[in-house]
Amino acid sequence: AQSVAQPEDQVNVAEGNPLTVKCTYSVSGNPYLFWYVQYPNRGLQFLLKYITGDNLVKGSYGFEAEFNKSQTSFHLKKPSALVSDSALYFCAVRDRDGNFNKFYFGSGTKLNVKP
Amino acid sequence: GAVVSQHPSRVICKSGTSVKIECRSLDFQATTMFWYRQFPKKSLMLMATSNEGSKATYEQGVEKDKFLINHASLTLSTLTVTSAHPEDSSFYICSARTSGVYQETQYFGPGTRLLVL
Repeated sequence: AQSVAQPEDQVNVAEGNPLTVKCTYSVSGNPYLFWYVQYPNRGLQFLLKYITGDNLVKGSYGFEAEFNKSQTSFHLKKPSALVSDSALYFCAVRDRDGNFNKFYFGSGTKLNVKP
Repeated sequence: GAVVSQHPSRVICKSGTSVKIECRSLDFQATTMFWYRQFPKKSLMLMATSNEGSKATYEQGVEKDKFLINHASLTLSTLTVTSAHPEDSSFYICSARTSGVYQETQYFGPGTRLLVL
């Protein structure tokens, strides 16, 4: 079965410090991997994706993520957090070999960046 | 590019009435759109996949007659919550997939907050 796990409900970090939001996945085939961010009462905004190629993917707002096939992980990172990064972050996987339409979302991680 | 809009952003209705939510892809054509439901502090639950010119594909447990989906054009899909009840109150989010080279990515609308009294 396809699934995505975000083991942390909440991540707290001080402004200026590096941040990591964790994501692991389980798919039967080769995955497309995504990170989205959601601000209160808003839809999801696309941050970045891994399709193929370089394992380190750079996205919007200074975020990046590293695809690790052996650990089936796709952790989101940023070298220096901003207060404005505080939001809800979702990892998602799409099975490129199976159901091409369906995204599987993690449960979300709330990021709190304190000044 | 790849902007998706939803209308209305917020709606309050009486129990038993029907509510229509529109989802539009503003700068691209979307042969496939998706409707999600999100409960507070929860992840997104895919309700159905909407294909232009054909019937929607509903996920298991989602009532087809309750949540009517119409994808009349390449830029518009509508979700109608029929005979709404308080338990239908939720945040409904649509997404659209481009038909071009980046079709593996879904782009999401801003969401519609539905409150049924």
